Amino acid sequence: AQTVTQSQPEMSVQEAETVTLSCTYDTSESDYYLFWYKQPPSRQMILVIRQEAYKQQNATENRFSVNFQKAAKSFSLKISDSQLGDAAMYFCAYGENNNDMRFGAGTRLTVKP
Amino acid sequence: NAGVTQTPKFQVLKTGQSMTLQCAQDMNHEYMSWYRQDPGMGLRLIHYSVGAGITDQGEVPNGYNVSRSTTEDFPLRLLSAAPSQTSVYFCASTQGLAGVNEQFFGPGTRLTVL
Repeated sequence: AQTVTQSQPEMSVQEAETVTLSCTYDTSESDYYLFWYKQPPSRQMILVIRQEAYKQQNATENRFSVNFQKAAKSFSLKISDSQLGDAAMYFCAYGENNNDMRFGAGTRLTVKP
Repeated sequence: NAGVTQTPKFQVLKTGQSMTLQCAQDMNHEYMSWYRQDPGMGLRLIHYSVGAGITDQGEVPNGYNVSRSTTEDFPLRLLSAAPSQTSVYFCASTQGLAGVNEQFFGPGTRLTVL
């Protein structure tokens, strides 16, 4: 079964600075999708960004961007100009179909004012 | 649209009791899933459904049943609660379009089994 590894249980960043969260995954497939979800203290899971594996271009959403390295099976999330509202758990997820998403253990991000 | 709703938000059970966690979505999504979230383990898939009348097991199905009689509703039943089922449970739905799409999550149910 595919596994998703987030090697940083906790990270912290100063407000307005940049932080990168790491994610690696294990697969033998060439066609798949990768996601980053944010879970603030409210517990609500929110999609941050989505990447299609066959697309070379890294996905971006405003201050959030990814560094997708397909050969290395790496999918890191960069948050620029960090804001207090970015404080949350961040989950990396892998999916080949809509039936079976695999999530990493999560990284807790703290933003210091 | 209410999106994905779950009830109850919190529940405490005694070992051996049964209960049903409710989940409903109003987005006409084909796919619905149940996950459990445990500290240090992320979210793990319990059961999923690809449409009304069709369900299947996920990664951790033991001790849980599901049914999908309508597109909107996807209840999760705990047959005989055990302390190992203490967790936060999330229901999610997604469109059945090409590719793998954004999952829309409910607010979660925190379940404690004593």
